[in-house]
Amino acid sequence: AQTVTQSQPEMSVQEAETVTLSCTYDTSESNYYLFWYKQPPSRQMILVIRQEAYKQQNATENRFSVNFQKAAKSFSLKISDSQLGDTAMYFCAFMNRMGGTYKYIFGTGTRLKVLA
Amino acid sequence: EAGVAQSPRYKIIEKRQSVAFWCNPISGHATLYWYQQILGQGPKLLIQFQNNGVVDDSQLPKDRFSAERLKGVDSTLKIQPAKLEDSAVYLCASSLVGSNSPLHFGNGTRLTVT
Repeated sequence: AQTVTQSQPEMSVQEAETVTLSCTYDTSESNYYLFWYKQPPSRQMILVIRQEAYKQQNATENRFSVNFQKAAKSFSLKISDSQLGDTAMYFCAFMNRMGGTYKYIFGTGTRLKVLA
Repeated sequence: EAGVAQSPRYKIIEKRQSVAFWCNPISGHATLYWYQQILGQGPKLLIQFQNNGVVDDSQLPKDRFSAERLKGVDSTLKIQPAKLEDSAVYLCASSLVGSNSPLHFGNGTRLTVT
């Protein structure tokens, strides 16, 4: 069975600094997708960034980028130039196709606080 | 496009009472998910629909939870009777069918069982 582990329950960073959130996963599949979702206090989960496992190039979305290490089964999120609005829970998620449908597994989350 | 709509936003009930949550997915999204998110944890899948058929309800406590998706659009999730451990945020999400379609979430319903 697939598992997703986020080993940092809480992190903080100064505004304008860079922070990296860790995520590791376990799977025997070769074709899958990885996501980072942000959940602010409003509770709505918002997609931050996604990575296809077959792509070697790390995904980037503005200030957000990932370090995808397929062999190590590691998928970390780097937030550059942190802003107060980045304060939120961040969830790493694994998705693959099983039995004709797409299955998602979420990690336990990392609470990020950006300090002024 | 309009997002995933959920109601109510908050609900407080006593144990052994019943409660229902409603979700309207993004138009055209064939796949609909209900997740339970207990405080401090990641979302846990309760049930997944594709159109109006159930594709995964393996983690749904069927003795007290039920869900339906009429006409492959709106969905309701019901708990009867509620227990204290059901206190959580219930998230609805939808997606297009296909590997390149991420989940789109609603704002969730925070349920408190006293």
